[in-house]
Amino acid sequence: DAGVTQSPTHLIKTRGQQVTLRCSPKSGHDTVSWYQQALGQGPQFIFQYYEEEERQRGNFPDRFSGHQFPNYSSELNVNALLLGDSALYLCASSLSAMLGGYNSPLHFGNGTRLTVT
Amino acid sequence: AQTVTQSQPEMSVQEAETVTLSCTYDTSESDYYLFWYKQPPSRQMILVIRQEAYKQQNATENRFSVNFQKAAKSFSLKISDSQLGDAAMYFCAYSGGATNKLIFGTGTLLAVQP
Repeated sequence: DAGVTQSPTHLIKTRGQQVTLRCSPKSGHDTVSWYQQALGQGPQFIFQYYEEEERQRGNFPDRFSGHQFPNYSSELNVNALLLGDSALYLCASSLSAMLGGYNSPLHFGNGTRLTVT
Repeated sequence: AQTVTQSQPEMSVQEAETVTLSCTYDTSESDYYLFWYKQPPSRQMILVIRQEAYKQQNATENRFSVNFQKAAKSFSLKISDSQLGDAAMYFCAYSGGATNKLIFGTGTLLAVQP
């Protein structure tokens, strides 16, 4: 049973560039959430996708955008990178309430470490 | 707004001993869930234990148990018979109502001494 997979594992970008991170949810899950974890901090919620639409959003600027595909996989895009965007980006999947997963626990991937220089 | 506070940046425990990690939270919601997640150096967040606020009984998972004090908004994690593999960063987290969006604390780094 494949868990949540994220790619790439590490990424180095230059300030001002754009980046795309990818996530495949755990088998059977239809909801994907993204979190940003700065060094020494707890993860912070970016947004959640369900049925290919953004359903909830945290306190992040519009430079952060996402997409969910029909197979439930998801991408996180960050434009105009800033040094402060350097962080571990975690993807988590879960079962929606429609599939019987009311407040179902999140399953996390191993994250993508983004370094902006 | 909901907040989660972990006041212990680092803790240390001897192998086979018991350790308690503290967490307090603030919310005005009546329906919510509380979690403890473990993050080893592999970076993956692993769910340790979950507590539903409407349940008075404290959750237990093998060597892990919680002390949930709803009135005090306190949610501590007790690890019994600590093992070397328990060494990790531990995060307390909250989710409210119908959403499973998590609000995390800043974490407690647990070291286990052989």
